[in-house]
Amino acid sequence: QSALTQPPSASGSPGQSVTISCTGTSSDVGGYNYVSWYQQHPGKAPKVMIYEVSKRPSGVPDRFSGSKSGNTASLTVSGLQAEDEADYYCSSYAGSNNWVFGTGTKVSVL
Amino acid sequence: QLQLQESGSGLVKPSQTLSLTCTVSGGSISGSYSWSWIRQSPGKGLEWIGYIYDTGSAYYSPFFRSRVTISLDRSKDQFSLKLSSVTAADTAVYYCARASGYYTGSRIDPWGQGILVIVSS
Repeated sequence: QSALTQPPSASGSPGQSVTISCTGTSSDVGGYNYVSWYQQHPGKAPKVMIYEVSKRPSGVPDRFSGSKSGNTASLTVSGLQAEDEADYYCSSYAGSNNWVFGTGTKVSVL
Repeated sequence: QLQLQESGSGLVKPSQTLSLTCTVSGGSISGSYSWSWIRQSPGKGLEWIGYIYDTGSAYYSPFFRSRVTISLDRSKDQFSLKLSSVTAADTAVYYCARASGYYTGSRIDPWGQGILVIVSS
C-alpha cells in the first residue's frame, strides 16, 4: 500500500493554529476510524498525540485535536508553542492486518 | 511503566541478515497488543515492517514480506526481527513498539528509543 499523503511542511506563529492533513483512500483512512498521529522531535522516538481519529492520550495537551472527513484526516494544533516544533506523522489501519504511515510534516513555529 | 529496548548489531554487511531484539520491561508480552517493528531511514519517514501477537502469529508489510521474520520469546519477554538480504537501502533507525487495538494498530505506544543499523561492507 502507498504512504498516506501529508504536506511536507506547515508553520505558524506562537499562539496561532496549524492544521495538518493526511490523505489516503477508502481502503485506509476513509475505511476505518483507526487514524493516529505521532509527534517526533529530532533524534527522539515518535510519541502518540491522537489515536482513533480524535482521542487524546492522557498527558497530551488539549491543544491537539484530530478529525476525519472522507479519505482525509487532520491534526490541529491550537495555541502553538515553541515545543510543538517537530515532525508529525499520521498512521492508519489499511485492512488485512496492514498499517500505513503518512509521509510526514515538519511543523515550524515562527 | 512499560518500556521497550532494542538491541542487536548496528553494522550489517550487504546481503547478510539483520537481527534485532526488543526487550520488554515493566510488563510482559501479553494481552490484545501488537508487538511491532517500525523503521525510519535517515531523513525519511516512518515505515511499518510488521508485528506479532502474544500467540506467536505474525503479520508483515507486503513490502518486506519476502525477507522478514518476527518471532517471540515469551519466557524472556522479548520479540525479534530478522531481515534478510539487506542492502544499503535498509540502513535506518529501527524501532520496536507496542500497539493497542490488536490488528488495527490504533495506538502505537510506547516506543523503544530506536537503534541505528548501518548496512555497509
